[in-house]
Amino acid sequence: DQQVKQNSPSLSVQEGRISILNCDYTNSMFDYFLWYKKYPAEGPTFLISISSIKDKNEDGRFTVFLNKSAKHLSLHIVPSQPGDSAVYFCAASATSGGSNYKLTFGKGTLLTVNP
Amino acid sequence: AAGVIQSPRHLIKEKRETATLKCYPIPRHDTVYWYQQGPGQDPQFLISFYEKMQSDKGSIPDRFSAQQFSDYHSELNMSSLELGDSALYFCASSRRGGTEAFFGQGTRLTVV
Repeated sequence: DQQVKQNSPSLSVQEGRISILNCDYTNSMFDYFLWYKKYPAEGPTFLISISSIKDKNEDGRFTVFLNKSAKHLSLHIVPSQPGDSAVYFCAASATSGGSNYKLTFGKGTLLTVNP
Repeated sequence: AAGVIQSPRHLIKEKRETATLKCYPIPRHDTVYWYQQGPGQDPQFLISFYEKMQSDKGSIPDRFSAQQFSDYHSELNMSSLELGDSALYFCASSRRGGTEAFFGQGTRLTVV
């Protein structure tokens, strides 16, 4: 039972355009969401996070949107750069007010940004 | 800035052998998490420790055990290794009140 779903295994965009990566979750207890970027043979690198009390968080070229009613979040990268090419993992946690990062990951989306 | 350090980076073991993976968290981080990522799979949570006590347990086989030491580093001990244990093992650390968990570069375990 996949509680965090990234339904697009891959996404290809042109340099300079917007990349939109989607993520859906089923567990209503999840209240903290994170996006990680991963290169082959390396550990996931934290990108951006959002708490369920917010619907948007922005950090430079990266913006995460959360729609709690739809149990859906998305990561927008604008403008996309070739160096953004990597696997992007969506992760969720049920923090219950603490700092619990027992993360449930999606299966990842391979983003390819073409020059 | 200091990151999460994992050792070794690569490990090759034979079936039924034992392996020990080590994780050194970011300074002042008090919580350590272990994840296993099989080929083509998403990372799966194994176990976590907060202030040297086990705080949560995931899909960790009984053949595996882990602990966190007084200096906050953690070790994952794996016995009676099976071919299916071949995977990337990631350690992550976080700090109570922090807003994210940081991952190490992982240990690639190959069981032959």
